[in-house]
Amino acid sequence: LAKTTQPISMDSYEGQEVNITCSHNNIATNDYITWYQQFPSQGPRFIIQGYKTKVTNEVASLFIPADRKSSTLSLPRVSLSDTAVYYCLVGPSNAGGTSYGKLTFGQGTILTVHP
Amino acid sequence: NAGVTQTPKFQVLKTGQSMTLQCAQDMNHNSMYWYRQDPGMGLRLIYYSASEGTTDKGEVPNGYNVSRLNKREFSLRLESAAPSQTSVYFCASSEAWPGAIYEQYFGPGTRLTVT
Repeated sequence: LAKTTQPISMDSYEGQEVNITCSHNNIATNDYITWYQQFPSQGPRFIIQGYKTKVTNEVASLFIPADRKSSTLSLPRVSLSDTAVYYCLVGPSNAGGTSYGKLTFGQGTILTVHP
Repeated sequence: NAGVTQTPKFQVLKTGQSMTLQCAQDMNHNSMYWYRQDPGMGLRLIYYSASEGTTDKGEVPNGYNVSRLNKREFSLRLESAAPSQTSVYFCASSEAWPGAIYEQYFGPGTRLTVT
């Protein structure tokens, strides 16, 4: 599985856009990039997933450069309720491999949004 | 639609006792997973079941057994609990096809303390 590196923590203020970057230098050709959010005392929640270029949904955008060695999760106009841990994960798309379906969660990025 | 449910929510065991954590999902997903999360850490995969009738080891399977009872239910058993198994346990489920397998839906967790 591709190893990922994210900042340990970030601070922001309400109304700002937050960008969290994840490095995955040894990403494989068939790997997807997935982001999760976790609030205290809750299970993680899927936010967004992509393979290349840009993906947008009602919650966030995911930017993936052409070399796919990094990705950036963008949260527009954050609020206090966006304070959480954000995980970047990389995993293979091809069934049959020993890593298929096995997500590896690192320590994530603790995002704190201030009033 | 309850999503993923787990029982119990809390449990205290003495060293050497056994117990089974229950998990059920009502989304008709093929794949199910068990994770543990230690304080300040990311989640680690214990076991997963790609489809009904199959189970496979994850990153930290020692000391655990699983049963995929049917498509809806996936249980985790601790045969002889140890203090090192004190953790929060999360169950998750997903579709089984490429891409979707990384969009996992998590339950609320079981907080287990072994004394």
